[in-house]
Amino acid sequence: GAVVSQHPSRVICKSGTSVKIECRSLDFQATTMFWYRQFPKKSLMLMATSNEGSKATYEQGVEKDKFLINHASLTLSTLTVTSAHPEDSSFYICSASTDRSLSYEQYFGPGTRLTVT
Amino acid sequence: EDKVVQSPLSLVVHEGDTVTLNCSYEVTNFRSLLWYKQEKKAPTFLFMLTSSGIEKKSGRLSSILDKKELFSILNITATQTGDSAVYLCAVYTGTASKLTFGTGTRLQVTL
Repeated sequence: GAVVSQHPSRVICKSGTSVKIECRSLDFQATTMFWYRQFPKKSLMLMATSNEGSKATYEQGVEKDKFLINHASLTLSTLTVTSAHPEDSSFYICSASTDRSLSYEQYFGPGTRLTVT
Repeated sequence: EDKVVQSPLSLVVHEGDTVTLNCSYEVTNFRSLLWYKQEKKAPTFLFMLTSSGIEKKSGRLSSILDKKELFSILNITATQTGDSAVYLCAVYTGTASKLTFGTGTRLQVTL
């Protein structure tokens, strides 16, 4: 149980275009989803936390207009990187939690590698 | 600002060796500490520790938390090449209700 999928697993896009990444909880309802970014040989950096049906909470330094997060249902959250630039190239990982009060129990997706050319 | 620091950043050992990975933290409103193993994709959960001095064990892996000294260690005995990965430590704080990750320790086990 507790499987999280991400799609696509890998995407290459041109500078200036937008890219949407989907995160789905396959066998449970995710009240909270988290989006992380990971640079090569670095740790996971939390970008934002989203609760179903409400606006995402962004971490300091993360541009909410650039990284649009939608958590419209209990099984799906999307991250859209708008007007992508090469510096946005990174590994993006989502995770999902079933309980807002127990958000340490996070189940991670397999990640999406974004390359902006 | 919450901080989680792991050491060493990387190490190379021979198969069969025992390794100890360290994680220290400075956070407000500590709730739990978690260890993850990350190979090429997303992290997989290893342990969650909430109480000092109680060892958690799973096969060749074990971990313990010291809440007084604010650190945890992850031990791997009789290492195998399949243990090669990045090991991440994360602390869950009740104030922010989020995980703060350390930089990870990259372990390489050679034949």
